[in-house]
Amino acid sequence: GENVEQHPSTLSVQEGDSAVIKCTYSDSASNYFPWYKQELGKRPQLIIDIRSNVGEKKDQRIAVTLNKTAKHFSLHITETQPEDSAVYFCAATPQGGGADGLTFGKGTHLIIQP
Amino acid sequence: NAGVTQTPKFRILKIGQSMTLQCTQDMNHNYMYWYRQDPGMGLKLIYYSVGAGITDKGEVPNGYNVSRSTTEDFPLRLELAAPSQTSVYFCASTASSYEQYFGPGTRLTVT
Repeated sequence: GENVEQHPSTLSVQEGDSAVIKCTYSDSASNYFPWYKQELGKRPQLIIDIRSNVGEKKDQRIAVTLNKTAKHFSLHITETQPEDSAVYFCAATPQGGGADGLTFGKGTHLIIQP
Repeated sequence: NAGVTQTPKFRILKIGQSMTLQCTQDMNHNYMYWYRQDPGMGLKLIYYSVGAGITDKGEVPNGYNVSRSTTEDFPLRLELAAPSQTSVYFCASTASSYEQYFGPGTRLTVT
């Protein structure tokens, strides 16, 4: 089945700096790669996603890049703010299509230092 | 439009007891999922359903059962609860098999 590795497990950055979180996946048939933000005690919330026919997608301060050949994708947050502090999860569809559910990475705890 | 709702919010079970976690969505989504999240970890897929009457196992199905008699409801049954089932359980749904909408979760402790 699909395996998703996520790094780093903890990331501390100064407010205003950029943060980058990286994920790799194993199943070349995967075609949907979402990123979720989870605050303590809350449900995961989708912040951005990308499909395999696109190399990059941006939404204000957040961007995701996908390299299908290398089977890795990354989340970029620019001009970080205190409210960006949370745990971020990447995910991939195990066999393409998404109907079978998502395989998640183990998460990155992002800490924004004032 | 309430989205995905789950009950109960919290539950403490004794070893060997059984319970059903309820999940309901009012978005007419065909696809529904159950995940568990252990402390400090990502979510793992327990079971999923692509429509009423159809269910299938995910990555960690042992000790659980599901049913899908209607489009709206997707209950998760725990039989003979074990301490290893202590976790937070999230239900999710989607219309397109892409963006998944998560419920608020059920925090379960088995002692």
